Amino acid sequence: GNSVTQMEGPVTLSEEAFLTINCTYTATGYPSLFWYVQYPGEGLQLLLKATKADDKGSNKGFEATYRKETTSFHLEKGSVQVSDSAVYFCALSDFYGNKLVFGAGTILRVKS
Amino acid sequence: DAGVTQSPTHLIKTRGQQVTLRCSPKSGHDTVSWYQQALGQGPQFIFQYYEEEERQRGNFPDRFSGHQFPNYSSELNVNALLLGDSALYLCASSHRTTGTSTDTQYFGPGTRLTVL
Repeated sequence: GNSVTQMEGPVTLSEEAFLTINCTYTATGYPSLFWYVQYPGEGLQLLLKATKADDKGSNKGFEATYRKETTSFHLEKGSVQVSDSAVYFCALSDFYGNKLVFGAGTILRVKS
Repeated sequence: DAGVTQSPTHLIKTRGQQVTLRCSPKSGHDTVSWYQQALGQGPQFIFQYYEEEERQRGNFPDRFSGHQFPNYSSELNVNALLLGDSALYLCASSHRTTGTSTDTQYFGPGTRLTVL
């Protein structure tokens, strides 16, 4: 079945550091890929998405590129801020868009 | 434009009781999905409703049931509560354009259920 694997956290960075959170997936067909962010005590917010191979999703300085050849969708940001501290979830949507399959989440802590 | 709303915010129940959680989708959305998020884990898909019918179900027992109303809002019911049902329950809505993986789901703030 479909699955998503994320790098384990927590990831602790200093402000203005470069961020990479690795995400790889296993899926049949042609899934869409997503990054969601969850701040403490809140629900999930869509951060970015990509719907086909080589698409790049971007939002608020975050980027991720859909790499079919390596089945990856790594999240990057050039300069993190303390306000980026949250849990980041990589997810895929199956072909019929009926359900999202999530990774376990990666905690990001940014120190000032 | 109101986003996805859920009620109640928090709920405390005891084992064996029944609970109903409610969700109102984002304006213009017609599809509602429910997820269970245990502490420290990623959300797990429970089921999805479209046109008042359950379209797909995850690996959850029959104690978990749902309903979608003509105005697209939805309820999640859990019977015979177990301690392991304690979790954050998330509702997500989407608009079924093509019925493909490009339909993006938007989440509500969740209902925190504690079973004692």
